Amino acid sequence: KQEVTQIPAALSVPEGENLVLNCSFTDSAIYNLQWFRQDPGKGLTSLLLIQSSQREQTSGRLNASLDKSSGRSTLYIAASQPGDSATYLCAVEGGKLIFGQGTELSVKP
Amino acid sequence: DAGVIQSPRHEVTEMGQEVTLRCKPISGHNSLFWYRQTMMRGLELLIYFNNNVPIDDSGMPEDRFSAKMPNASFSTLKIQPSEPRDSAVYFCASSFGVSDEAFFGQGTRLTVV
Repeated sequence: KQEVTQIPAALSVPEGENLVLNCSFTDSAIYNLQWFRQDPGKGLTSLLLIQSSQREQTSGRLNASLDKSSGRSTLYIAASQPGDSATYLCAVEGGKLIFGQGTELSVKP
Repeated sequence: DAGVIQSPRHEVTEMGQEVTLRCKPISGHNSLFWYRQTMMRGLELLIYFNNNVPIDDSGMPEDRFSAKMPNASFSTLKIQPSEPRDSAVYFCASSFGVSDEAFFGQGTRLTVV
């Protein structure tokens, strides 16, 4: 059974810092991995999707990496801004999308 | 496209009542997913459809829950009878295929009192 774990559960940083969010999964037989953002009381917004054959994807200040063999992914956020404050969720697709519990990020001005 | 559309956005109902949640997926998407989100359990997949056919309903908690997809542009999730422990945010998502990028609706916040 696939299990997805995200560390840390919560993170608070000052504006301008670079930061890394971690995601690990137990079953490496996946099609892809997605990172989402969720603002309080809102739905999920897809940030990046990495296919199982890829190592990383970049979108603006965001960079996501995937090491399928070790069951790990990281989301790197460069030059963080208060507007980045949200919960970040990773999800692995191996027939169905399984989510981690998320990392709640707070970027202080 | 307006994205995945869910209705209602909020629903408050009394225990024992029937609740129906609705979802309109993105046009052209062939896969549709229903999720439930709670503080304790996070996001849980309840059921997903591919080409209007239910593929995996192993996440549906009890027989009180049922889902239908009568056509490619509409799906419902029904709870009958509802219980307070069903209180959660229910999300619908769609994608071109099961393993493609998923797009989520804004969710329905259900409160059963």
